[in-house]
Amino acid sequence: DGGITQSPKYLFRKEGQNVTLSCEQNLNHDAMYWYRQDPGQGLRLIYYSQIVNDFQKGDIAEGYSVSREKKESFPLTVTSAQKNPTAFYLCASSPRMYNEQFFGPGTRLTVL
Amino acid sequence: AQSVAQPEDQVNVAEGNPLTVKCTYSVSGNPYLFWYVQYPNRGLQFLLKYITGDNLVKGSYGFEAEFNKSQTSFHLKKPSALVSDSALYFCAAWLMNTGFQKLVFGTGTRLLVSP
Repeated sequence: DGGITQSPKYLFRKEGQNVTLSCEQNLNHDAMYWYRQDPGQGLRLIYYSQIVNDFQKGDIAEGYSVSREKKESFPLTVTSAQKNPTAFYLCASSPRMYNEQFFGPGTRLTVL
Repeated sequence: AQSVAQPEDQVNVAEGNPLTVKCTYSVSGNPYLFWYVQYPNRGLQFLLKYITGDNLVKGSYGFEAEFNKSQTSFHLKKPSALVSDSALYFCAAWLMNTGFQKLVFGTGTRLLVSP
């Protein structure tokens, strides 16, 4: 899993709660990404950031929010507006766009 | 529509036999193609990539992939499978639409290597 850490490994959320997933990298990469993985659907892009203080929506951004205040950190908040948040969430980084991405170990979020 | 397809949900192979995991792509321009592997409850690990050059790309753990432009394919191969190769494999390609670039993944192929 390289120099990318995600925490927590498992997270349980009650309906109506916001939760924040942490992603930190020490690879000095400019670009960072958040994906959601559901069984049989591959990975879907939630948000990405090419540079500090800038980020873009991916394919399924509704109900999620991010920030990129530091180069090494890209936290993801799952808000109560996300109707079906139970999934495996993966953070990744790359030196820049079009390079291979390096993935963290993931956070499994379960809504109770 | 631009996409990546992995036509097989699962591939079964006996240890010691060669393995192939198939991938086809549909992207505009020159393709940037990748293979990743995922073990249970873990993140994805990069195996290899094709950007340009030789059509046969060598990667980690003895894996290689063959780029075929006419067939728009990028199949993953290994001459001799190991039980420890059993995992979920993803093919991916960069899509470079105007104003939006992203790495799009296939749905994954589960490889089962039997002893």
